[in-house]
Amino acid sequence: DVKVTQSSRYLVKRTGEKVFLECVQDMDHENMFWYRQDPGLGLRLIYFSYDVKMKEKGDIPEGYSVSREKKERFSLILESASTNQTSMYLCASFDTEKLFFGSGTQLSVL
Amino acid sequence: QKEVEQDPGPLSVPEGAIVSLNCTYSNSAFQYFMWYRQYSRKGPELLMYTYSSGNKEDGRFTAQVDKSSKYISLFIRDSQPSDSATYLCAIGHAGGTSYGKLTFGQGTILTVHP
Repeated sequence: DVKVTQSSRYLVKRTGEKVFLECVQDMDHENMFWYRQDPGLGLRLIYFSYDVKMKEKGDIPEGYSVSREKKERFSLILESASTNQTSMYLCASFDTEKLFFGSGTQLSVL
Repeated sequence: QKEVEQDPGPLSVPEGAIVSLNCTYSNSAFQYFMWYRQYSRKGPELLMYTYSSGNKEDGRFTAQVDKSSKYISLFIRDSQPSDSATYLCAIGHAGGTSYGKLTFGQGTILTVHP
């Protein structure tokens, strides 16, 4: 079974802090994604990567950056956390029509 | 107009009912269609996917796609309390570097009560 692991289940941060969300997949997938999920808005794509060191903006990249130094690891960075970035963050990897999601990180920015 | 619109619900049905979940989309270039199920405090998991118009069955679940109307549906027969979850439709393009870049509906919360 494919495993996508997100490093933290819950995080509480202060406004202005730099926040790192880590994601690791164990199936050698090339494409990886970061989504955020908010009630009534569904999943919205923040960034994705189709190869090491390659990244593309999704629909809502403002306030975020990403890093992919190794194929299995895709990190989401909040440069200066703000309260409107309080959300559920979901990482996913993709192979043959299927997106495999991690369990998510519930981030609260106070 | 959003690219994918999903009936928001929530839906509450008795055990054994037939459930119908629906989405419409605006971009005829979309090529494949998926349904994900998400239990509380979990990530979404793939239920079904299809490329073509028509019906696809998997046990109690049937996915239906009508490309001419840009309409997709998920039917659940003999619904069970364990089907209680959020259901998300997702649509994407095949091929290229955007492969896997899905557009999701807002999700429908389904509760099946005994």
